[in-house]
Amino acid sequence: DAKTTQPPSMDCAEGRAANLPCNHSTISGNEYVYWYRQIHSQGPQYIIHGLKNNETNEMASLIITEDRKSSTLILPHATLRDTAVYYCIEGGNKLVFGAGTILRVKS
Amino acid sequence: GAVVSQHPSWVICKSGTSVKIECRSLDFQATTMFWYRQFPKQSLMLMATSNEGSKATYEQGVEKDKFLINHASLTLSTLTVTSAHPEDSSFYICSATKTGQETQYFGPGTRLLVL
Repeated sequence: DAKTTQPPSMDCAEGRAANLPCNHSTISGNEYVYWYRQIHSQGPQYIIHGLKNNETNEMASLIITEDRKSSTLILPHATLRDTAVYYCIEGGNKLVFGAGTILRVKS
Repeated sequence: GAVVSQHPSWVICKSGTSVKIECRSLDFQATTMFWYRQFPKQSLMLMATSNEGSKATYEQGVEKDKFLINHASLTLSTLTVTSAHPEDSSFYICSATKTGQETQYFGPGTRLLVL
């Protein structure tokens, strides 16, 4: 079973920031938090990962709480092409995918 | 970059036949590759982990004699579905990690339909 908890779905207006929350209260001290997304009928796409510091790359920002029990993925300017299922996963040798969050970006 | 390809992208076969799916890391060497399966409206389920030159490690409930995995080089792993049945119809996805790293990079998936 997945060890993270995410809302089943979220809507976001095109051009606005999409903030996707994730709870990972059982995460171990040396486990990373990984975010992937899966666009319909494609393989998952790596987005970002972090341990305890906030991270930013060309796709997104990752904000991790100080206690590491939750994190938020931020897509700063969502576009229609960002519509996908977003997975938050506690890292390690194996990735356990939960149901993720269906993000719908609407014009 | 970290590009992973799969071939074929889709395949239709008759019940009882075997199907081979290839997973290649195109621009990096992958010591470890993973095979997942995804049924409609469900999430990805890990089937097995394969290390180059070693036997694959299968997850509980996955038949190793039915799903043969070979990882003979640092850029290629193959999954062979033997004696396929309609219930094996699914979306098969591989991933690979760069040597010494943990991040998995996924292929585009292979859709298998067994008639």
